[in-house]
Amino acid sequence: DGGITQSPKYLFRKEGQNVTLSCEQNLNHDAMYWYRQDPGQGLRLIYYSQIVNDFQKGDIAEGYSVSREKKESFPLTVTSAQKNPTAFYLCASSRAGGSHQETQYFGPGTRLLVL
Amino acid sequence: GQQVMQIPQYQHVQEGEDFTTYCNSSTTLSNIQWYKQRPGGHPVFLIQLVKSGEVKKQKRLTFQFGEAKKNSSLHITATQTTDVGTYFCAGNSGNTPLVFGKGTRLSVIA
Repeated sequence: DGGITQSPKYLFRKEGQNVTLSCEQNLNHDAMYWYRQDPGQGLRLIYYSQIVNDFQKGDIAEGYSVSREKKESFPLTVTSAQKNPTAFYLCASSRAGGSHQETQYFGPGTRLLVL
Repeated sequence: GQQVMQIPQYQHVQEGEDFTTYCNSSTTLSNIQWYKQRPGGHPVFLIQLVKSGEVKKQKRLTFQFGEAKKNSSLHITATQTTDVGTYFCAGNSGNTPLVFGKGTRLSVIA
C-alpha cells in the first residue's frame, strides 16, 4: 500500500525542547517537502529536497532543520529557536525532483503543541 | 517573491447553490494546481492547468486558467455537503517551488 506516513499524529513538547517529526514515503518519489499550516495562513514551505543528500530552504526555514539521507525519508526537526512552533505540519512528495510542476501527495500531518 | 492571493477566505452557501473561488498571482504562472482539504484532513490534489485559457471539468467542478496565466478559478455547481472543505490553489513560475494561496473554506448548509 503506497503512500506517505507521518508520525506521530499528535505531539506535545515543552518549550525549549527540540522535536523531530517523521516523514516516510514508499512512492519512489524524488522530491519531498515540509509545510507548516496555521489557521487562515494556508500552506507555507519550510524546506524541500529534490534529491537525496540535498535540500533547500523554503519561505520560513528559520528555526527548523532537515536531512535527506535516504530517498524515502525526510525528517524535520523543530528547534528551540523556532519562536512559534505550535502548528500543523504537513509533509508532501512528488515524482520528479527536477520539476516543481508535479502533483504533490500529502501525508496525514502532525499536530505539534508546544506548552 | 511570488505571491498567490485567493478569495474569498470563507464562503457559506445553502446546499444546491453554486460556489466560486478565485486565485490571482503576482507573476505569470507555469502551471496552477488545485487541492482540497477536508476538515481535519490533508490536502488532496484535484487538478492541474498549464495552458493559457484552459478549462477543465470534473463532474460539478469547473476549473479555468486565465489567458494571461495569472489567475484561475474553481466553480462548483449545485453544492453538496460532501463539497465542504478548504480549497487551495497553488502555482509556480519557472523552476520555483509551488506557492499556495491561503485557501477558501467552504461551508454548505443542508
